[in-house]
Amino acid sequence: GEDVEQSLFLSVREGDSSVINCTYTDSSSTYLYWYKQEPGAGLQLLTYIFSNMDMKQDQRLTVLLNKKDKHLSLRIADTQTGDSAIYFCAENGGTYKYIFGTGTRLKVLA
Amino acid sequence: EAGVVQSPRYKIIEKKQPVAFWCNPISGHNTLYWYRQNLGQGPELLIRYENEEAVDDSQLPKDRFSAERLKGVDSTLKIQPAELGDSAVYLCASSLILGASTDTQYFGPGTRLTVL
Repeated sequence: GEDVEQSLFLSVREGDSSVINCTYTDSSSTYLYWYKQEPGAGLQLLTYIFSNMDMKQDQRLTVLLNKKDKHLSLRIADTQTGDSAIYFCAENGGTYKYIFGTGTRLKVLA
Repeated sequence: EAGVVQSPRYKIIEKKQPVAFWCNPISGHNTLYWYRQNLGQGPELLIRYENEEAVDDSQLPKDRFSAERLKGVDSTLKIQPAELGDSAVYLCASSLILGASTDTQYFGPGTRLTVL
């Protein structure tokens, strides 16, 4: 079945770049997503990438997709304390049914 | 424009009690989803509505969970009776286009349920 895996924790210093990684299993995914969840809040869509793209850049965010290895990454440039949150990647498996990873908790140290 | 609204934000009940959660999707969004997010996990889909029709409830534990979206707008998710293992955050999401698998889902803040 479908599975999405992420590392659980990442700690970076303010001003450094953060890279959050994700691997997925369903090759039929047409879109892959990154969501941010702050404490006590719902999931906020950060960005998404279509499966025929290798890279997408949106201000401080860069998404890289390696479809061959089924690997997705999110790079946050100039990480700020306000970026501290849990980041989820999700795939849609070619359907409406999003499969989420377990989330990566990013901690930004001042 | 208002986002997805959910209430209550927090609910604490004793086991075997009933509980209900309410969701108001983004105006004009035809598709509505209920997810359950267990601690330390990503959300898992419970049910999806297109307008007032539940088009996928395969993951909904039907012995104790029920949901409705009578007029194709607001939705209610109910648990009766609640069990200890139901403690989780219940998230509602909506998307604009019917039947579009690639349409972005927008999430509400969730209802955190604690069953004692």
